[in-house]
Amino acid sequence: AQTVTQSQPEMSVQEAETVTLSCTYDTSENNYYLFWYKQPPSRQMILVIRQEAYKQQNATENRFSVNFQKAAKSFSLKISDSQLGDTAMYFCAFMIRQGGSEKLVFGKGTKLTVNP
Amino acid sequence: DGGITQSPKYLFRKEGQNVTLSCEQNLNHDAMYWYRQDPGQGLRLIYYSQIVNDFQKGDIAEGYSVSREKKESFPLTVTSAQKNPTAFYLCASTTRDTYNSPLHFGNGTRLTVT
Repeated sequence: AQTVTQSQPEMSVQEAETVTLSCTYDTSENNYYLFWYKQPPSRQMILVIRQEAYKQQNATENRFSVNFQKAAKSFSLKISDSQLGDTAMYFCAFMIRQGGSEKLVFGKGTKLTVNP
Repeated sequence: DGGITQSPKYLFRKEGQNVTLSCEQNLNHDAMYWYRQDPGQGLRLIYYSQIVNDFQKGDIAEGYSVSREKKESFPLTVTSAQKNPTAFYLCASTTRDTYNSPLHFGNGTRLTVT
């Protein structure tokens, strides 16, 4: 079974501080891609960052970076210099290819609140 | 501007009625997806389609049906067989040109069945 586990249902952080959201996954596939999506109160899903499983270098997008540990099947998201606009639900997901089709499997999400 | 349009934003139905949620994209994407979002459950895949006239069941397809007669359209019908249809529904699409292409999402439809 392909599963994604986000063990922190809710987290909070003070503005300007750093926070790390955890994600673990389970798959027997060797080739896949990992994503973090953000869903603010508007409920629009926004791509934050993506990582290719065969690349050892961790992806970085401005204040967002990941710690990808393939052997441990871990894909955590670090947000530096947190801003009020970072308040949102964050979903970890991975894309798998099966029988010529691709689908994205999501975790249950972490609700992040950035406090002023 | 290209994007995905879901309509309506809010939908109310009486129990026992079928209802169809619209999803249209002008991104020229081949693959389209329907997800259901419930509090504390994340996003769960209902149906997906990689090409026109073809679609596959996701993890929670029971009580739902879809069609893919045109590349840009992927409507979802919530039938009376769906036992708990009240939820937030998200449509998404992606190109199949590259494996790591992210999904683009619509703004969602909130369905309430009473």
